[in-house]
Amino acid sequence: RKEVEQDPGPFNVPEGATVAFNCTYSNSASQSFFWYRQDCRKEPKLLMSVYSSGNEDGRFTAQLNRASQYISLLIRDSKLSDSATYLCVVNAGGTSYGKLTFGQGTILTVHP
Amino acid sequence: EADIYQTPRYLVIGTGKKITLECSQTMGHDKMYWYQQDPGMELHLIHYSYGVNSTEKGDLSSESTVSRIRTEHFPLTLESARPSHTSQYLCASSQMGLGYETQYFGPGTRLLVL
Repeated sequence: RKEVEQDPGPFNVPEGATVAFNCTYSNSASQSFFWYRQDCRKEPKLLMSVYSSGNEDGRFTAQLNRASQYISLLIRDSKLSDSATYLCVVNAGGTSYGKLTFGQGTILTVHP
Repeated sequence: EADIYQTPRYLVIGTGKKITLECSQTMGHDKMYWYQQDPGMELHLIHYSYGVNSTEKGDLSSESTVSRIRTEHFPLTLESARPSHTSQYLCASSQMGLGYETQYFGPGTRLLVL
């Protein structure tokens, strides 16, 4: 089983749609969680961190469920510019402090 | 925007050549990382460093080597390139903030070994 698993998609949605991505992680000792965005042939860029209480940044909402080892990202009112691959990322902490484990990514295409 | 740089951005080279991929950051970060990513696949950590003179192997075995003589510089070397080394190599550095590490990535080097 992979340490971080995501539905690879692709998700094809119209502009204005709401789309949700899910991610599960296997290491129950994981301490910090992130969503990164990677555009085609570009480097990953931090989209948002995921806090235990859930957090929102504009149209983006991230949720964490430690009991189920599950992370989600909700995008409301999708824009064409949201088209990208969304990477679920986990930091195990402890002796692995600073080392990130990346999911395979979920591809999102927003069309007019 | 993160101040982390990689050169070259693209490299096409023949089998058996020695290559060095450069990575430098001007943010004063102690921790630096090298990842390898094939098209459409996930990133795999191949090397990391927690500071000067510190280097560790990552989760994915790699024939490359790294050095960390200066805080800002973390080059990756392949002594003898092979077609199996064809991939994208991404360098990253991290800082501590609000109780967790945030990693910033360089633009990557796309390597093609013929």
